[in-house]
Amino acid sequence: EDQVTQSPEALRLQEGESSSLNCSYTVSGLRGLFWYRQDPGKGPEFLFTLYSAGEEKEKERLKATLTKKESFLHITAPKPEDSATYLCAVQDNYGQNFVFGPGTRLSVLP
Amino acid sequence: DSGVTQTPKHLITATGQRVTLRCSPRSGDLSVYWYQQSLDQGLQFLIQYYNGEERAKGNILERFSAQQFPDLHSELNLSSLELGDSALYFCASSVGDKTWGGYTFGSGTRLTVV
Repeated sequence: EDQVTQSPEALRLQEGESSSLNCSYTVSGLRGLFWYRQDPGKGPEFLFTLYSAGEEKEKERLKATLTKKESFLHITAPKPEDSATYLCAVQDNYGQNFVFGPGTRLSVLP
Repeated sequence: DSGVTQTPKHLITATGQRVTLRCSPRSGDLSVYWYQQSLDQGLQFLIQYYNGEERAKGNILERFSAQQFPDLHSELNLSSLELGDSALYFCASSVGDKTWGGYTFGSGTRLTVV
């Protein structure tokens, strides 16, 4: 059974203090790993797709990386507007639904 | 605005009742996915429809059902509601049957069962 865990559960950073979020996964055959951002009361917003170990994707202050067992979302010099819950999801080679992790709740204080 | 429209935004109802949640997918998308998000369980896949046909089923209770209409909008029907059904219900859409990429999510319907 595909499983996704995320750590830490919650993270508080000062503005400008860089850090990383972890997503560990178990999947029979990984088709893709996805990062989403979710603001309170809103639907998840797609950020990145990673397909193979060693791949990296960047968007503004965010950089996602992938290994065979985990993915990291690095946040460089975060701003208060980066505060949100970051969700990781995996998709297997059958290409049907995703399995989501529980998320990391990020708070960036000014 | 993601292009995926969900109505209503909020719904409060009593235990034992039945409700219908509605989703209009993004223009051009043929697949609709329903997810439930509760505080203790995270995002759980319920069901997928593609061009009117059921394609995949997740952890959907027998009290819940869904359908996709010819105009591609979808409805999720929840019956014999229990307190534990209180959650955010999200609809997502994609172009194809098997989505090799990210979904586009709507803003959700918050269901409160009292």
